[in-house]
Amino acid sequence: AQSVTQLDSQVPVFEEAPVELRCNYSSSVSVYLFWYVQYPNQGLQLLLKYLSGSTLVKGINGFEAEFNKSQTSFHLRKPSVHISDTAEYFCAVRGEGYQKVTFGTGTKLQVIP
Amino acid sequence: DGGITQSPKYLFRKEGQNVTLSCEQNLNHDAMYWYRQDPGQGLRLIYYSQIVNDFQKGDIAEGYSVSREKKESFPLTVTSAQKNPTAFYLCASNEPGRRETQYFGPGTRLLVL
Repeated sequence: AQSVTQLDSQVPVFEEAPVELRCNYSSSVSVYLFWYVQYPNQGLQLLLKYLSGSTLVKGINGFEAEFNKSQTSFHLRKPSVHISDTAEYFCAVRGEGYQKVTFGTGTKLQVIP
Repeated sequence: DGGITQSPKYLFRKEGQNVTLSCEQNLNHDAMYWYRQDPGQGLRLIYYSQIVNDFQKGDIAEGYSVSREKKESFPLTVTSAQKNPTAFYLCASNEPGRRETQYFGPGTRLLVL
């Protein structure tokens, strides 16, 4: 079985401040990890993914995430947020040998001017 | 441009009525998925299909049906047996292979009259 936990349902942050959105996963096998962003009434767009190799992954819009196997985490970070980053962010996991992707419950990032 | 289209953007259902949500992709992907999104619950898998003329139930298939007669099309029918159909429905696709990223359509919002 596999699962994803996003403990923070909402994260308010001031514009130009740094942000970290937390994601923890559980799986009995090796994993592939993803972060998606969703703007209101739209589909999900891939921000970045970890498949293998370097544990620090860089994505679009200045976001990056670090895979930490010992802590089973894949936190998303951005050093300086912009108003346009206001959206909902989903962490997702697919375990090796699994057909399905499991999504977290999402974190709403609200950037305050 | 390659991508996934979903129609309609908004759909209204009357009590006891079946409605069908359309999902079309021109990415030449073999695998297609339907998810339901409710506030605070993330994405839950309804049905998925790895190949034409074959599909499997996801985690919340009751009250839904699908068909996969063509590679590019994966329509979802919400039947009258689905007692709480109000949600945002997302279609996704990917190349076969467990490392592959899922690409999402823009979604259909279903409302009950």
